[in-house]
This record gives sequence, C-alpha cells and structure tokens, in this order.
Amino acid sequence: EDQVTQSPEALRLQEGESSSLNCSYTVSGLRGLFWYRQDPGKGPEFLFTLYSAGEEKEKERLKATLTKKESFLHITAPKPEDSATYLCAVQPRRNAGNMLTFGGGTRLMVKP
Amino acid sequence: GAGVSQSPRYKVAKRGQDVALRCDPISGHVSLFWYQQALGQGPEFLTYFQNEAQLDKSGLPSDRFFAERPEGSVSTLKIQRTQQEDSAVYLCASSSGQGYGISGNTIYFGEGSWLTVV
Repeated sequence: EDQVTQSPEALRLQEGESSSLNCSYTVSGLRGLFWYRQDPGKGPEFLFTLYSAGEEKEKERLKATLTKKESFLHITAPKPEDSATYLCAVQPRRNAGNMLTFGGGTRLMVKP
Repeated sequence: GAGVSQSPRYKVAKRGQDVALRCDPISGHVSLFWYQQALGQGPEFLTYFQNEAQLDKSGLPSDRFFAERPEGSVSTLKIQRTQQEDSAVYLCASSSGQGYGISGNTIYFGEGSWLTVV
C-alpha cells in the first residue's frame, strides 16, 4: 500500500529564515512525486513534479529535491505570502489512471 | 474553461438529505478525479473517470456515494442520505493524460465544494 508522511505537521518561520519540509514515501514503482500548495478555502495549486532520484526543480524561493525514499521542499528566505499548507503526493506507475496518494500536509506560517 | 470549476462552493445539508456536486473540468481533459478532504488532512481519492468510463471507484466510502460523467466532460458526485461524517471538502481534478505515461499526468484541482451536514 502506498504511504506518504509529511513532517513537520506545522512550521513557524520568521521572514527570511530558510528551512525544509520533508515528504517520506513508500510506493511500488514511482511514476511521479508532486508538490502542491493549498491556501485556506482553496483547492491545491500545482507546484512541481519530480520523476527520478537526484532530480531538482526550482520556482522562485522554492526548490524541490527527490531521493528514492523522500522528497524535500526547501524554502529560501521565505516571505509572509509563502504561508500556506504544502502537500506532497505520489503517483504510482502501476495504475491505469493518474490518481495521487497524498500526505497530510505541512502548514507553514511565515511571520514578518 | 481556464480551470476546473466546481459548484456549489458551499452546501449545508440536513442529515438524510441527498446532495449533488458538479464539476466542470479543464476543456479537453480526458481524466477526471474526485477527492475528499477532511479538515486538516490531505485529500483522499474517491473515484476516477477516463472520458465517460468510471475506471476506478475504490475510494468511494459507501454505496451512498455515486459519481457519473455521462458525456465525458461534466461530472456529478451524488451523496444520498447524507450523514454527519460526510462533512468535508469535495475536490474535483482533471488531467489531459489517460494512461501509463508521464505525458499529461499533471493533475489540476478545482476550488472544492464545502459540504456541511447538520
């Protein structure tokens, strides 16, 4: 059974204080690992897809990395507008469809 | 449309009432998904359509939940005889891909329909 565990559950940072969010996963054959951002009252917004160990992707202050067992979302010099819940999800290769299995998310709060 | 559209955005139902939630996916997207998200949790898979065919309904929690996509575009999630434990956000998502490859496998979500059963 596919499993995704995110840590920490909640993270408070000062503006400019860099940190990393962790996503540990077990899946039988990974097609892709996805990161989404979710603001309160909104649907998940797509950020990145990673396909193989060693891959990295960047967008503004965010950088996602992938190993065979976990993924990290690094946030460099965060701003208050980066406050949101960050969701990690795996997409197994075996499925005919593209459904995702999500972790519980990390709620990030960045204080000015 | 430009994104996945869901309606209603908010629904309050009395216990025992039937509800219907509508999803209009991104134009041309073959795959459509329904997810359920409880407060403070990640989304959980409910069901998957490829065009009009419902290929996976393994996540539907009971036979009170029913989904359809008769013409391969708009989809409706119906919940019969609602219970308090059905209170959640119901997210619809779509992608252009349909198979085992990575092409078109990014899944885009709507804003969700917030259901409260009282």
